[in-house]
Amino acid sequence: DAGITQSPRHKVTETGTPVTLRCHQTENHRYMYWYRQDPGHGLRLIHYSYGVKDTDKGEVSDGYSVSRSKTEDFLLTLESATSSQTSVYFCAIRSGTGGNQPQHFGDGTRLSIL
Amino acid sequence: DQQVKQNSPSLSVQEGRISILNCDYTNSMFDYFLWYKKYPAEGPTFLISISSIKDKNEDGRFTVFLNKSAKHLSLHIVPSQPGDSAVYFCAASYVTGNQFYFGTGTSLTVIP
Repeated sequence: DAGITQSPRHKVTETGTPVTLRCHQTENHRYMYWYRQDPGHGLRLIHYSYGVKDTDKGEVSDGYSVSRSKTEDFLLTLESATSSQTSVYFCAIRSGTGGNQPQHFGDGTRLSIL
Repeated sequence: DQQVKQNSPSLSVQEGRISILNCDYTNSMFDYFLWYKKYPAEGPTFLISISSIKDKNEDGRFTVFLNKSAKHLSLHIVPSQPGDSAVYFCAASYVTGNQFYFGTGTSLTVIP
């Protein structure tokens, strides 16, 4: 296992409530990513981080914010959850971009917004 | 617009035969390609990769082929086993880039 823990693993909440998902790594990797997986869309990048306090947007960043105050933790926040954000969320880590460096994924968080 | 495409949502193969999963991409600047395997309720697991300086990479039963002129890569699994039944995602990146671009996945079923 790549030393990635996502919490919670499952969550059900109501529209309009704030939600925070946590990704914790023990690998000391520089890069961390948040994806969502939806039928017919595969994995789509929400946000990523290339260091502490350094983040950038992915292709589906609207409605999401992230924070990385220390190397091991990357938080994804839905400020006001909507039903369209019901999805499975995956965190991934990567040691660097030089050479052939794959991402390694956590086991996901299944989020349902009613 | 989807830069990485997997046009076959599903594939069924008999145990012991070859499985061929296909992936097309549109961005000729991609130079690093990967395949991931995903079981239900688990995260994707890295399977095999290839850089654009090669046209083939092999790891046990898994071989990835890259055809840069056609912007096409394929994953061959020989022989296929029931435990290979999973969703397979292809992905592409720039070697020095921060992001990966994923296809929509192909669900492989290996029939015993």
